[in-house]
Amino acid sequence: GENVEQHPSTLSVQEGDSAVIKCTYSDSASNYFPWYKQELGKRPQLIIDIRSNVGEKKDQRIAVTLNKTAKHFSLHITETQPEDSAVYFCAASIGGSYIPTFGRGTSLIVHP
Amino acid sequence: NAGVMQNPRHLVRRRGQEARLRCSPVKGHSHVYWYRQLPEEGLKFMVYLQKENIIDESGMPKERFSAEFPKEGPSILRIQQVVRGDSAAYFCASSDNSGTHEQYFGPGTRLTVT
Repeated sequence: GENVEQHPSTLSVQEGDSAVIKCTYSDSASNYFPWYKQELGKRPQLIIDIRSNVGEKKDQRIAVTLNKTAKHFSLHITETQPEDSAVYFCAASIGGSYIPTFGRGTSLIVHP
Repeated sequence: NAGVMQNPRHLVRRRGQEARLRCSPVKGHSHVYWYRQLPEEGLKFMVYLQKENIIDESGMPKERFSAEFPKEGPSILRIQQVVRGDSAAYFCASSDNSGTHEQYFGPGTRLTVT
């Protein structure tokens, strides 16, 4: 089955800095890669996703890149704000399967 | 996203009791997923259901756990004879059948076994 590794487990940045979270996956058949943000005690919320037919996608301060050859994808947050502090999860799912495999999460702390 | 409802939000059970967790998907969504999340850990897939069918239960323990998604009414995750190790947050998610794979999560049920 699919295996998703996520790094780092904790990321501490100053407000205004950029943050990058990286994930690797094992199954080359995976073609959908969502990112979720989970604030303390809240539900995971989809913030951005990318499919295997594109290499990059951007939405305001958030961008995701995908390298299919290397089987890794990354989340980039620019101009971080304290409200970005949360746990971020990457996931990968195989074409035809509705079940994503999640990474273990990255706890992002943005210091004001 | 706000359409996935779960209840109760918090549930306390003594060891040996039964826990019933309910999930109402987004209106029009026919796929439901259950995940378990332990403190400071990721989301572990448990079971994937469509109306009246279990599609994949590979992540669900074989004993004490069961799930259903009847034709009418919410999806239910049932844990019989709960043990302390069952204490966790249980999240339900739903998606439509458009093939986009996008999942929308409910607020979760936090189960505490005393």
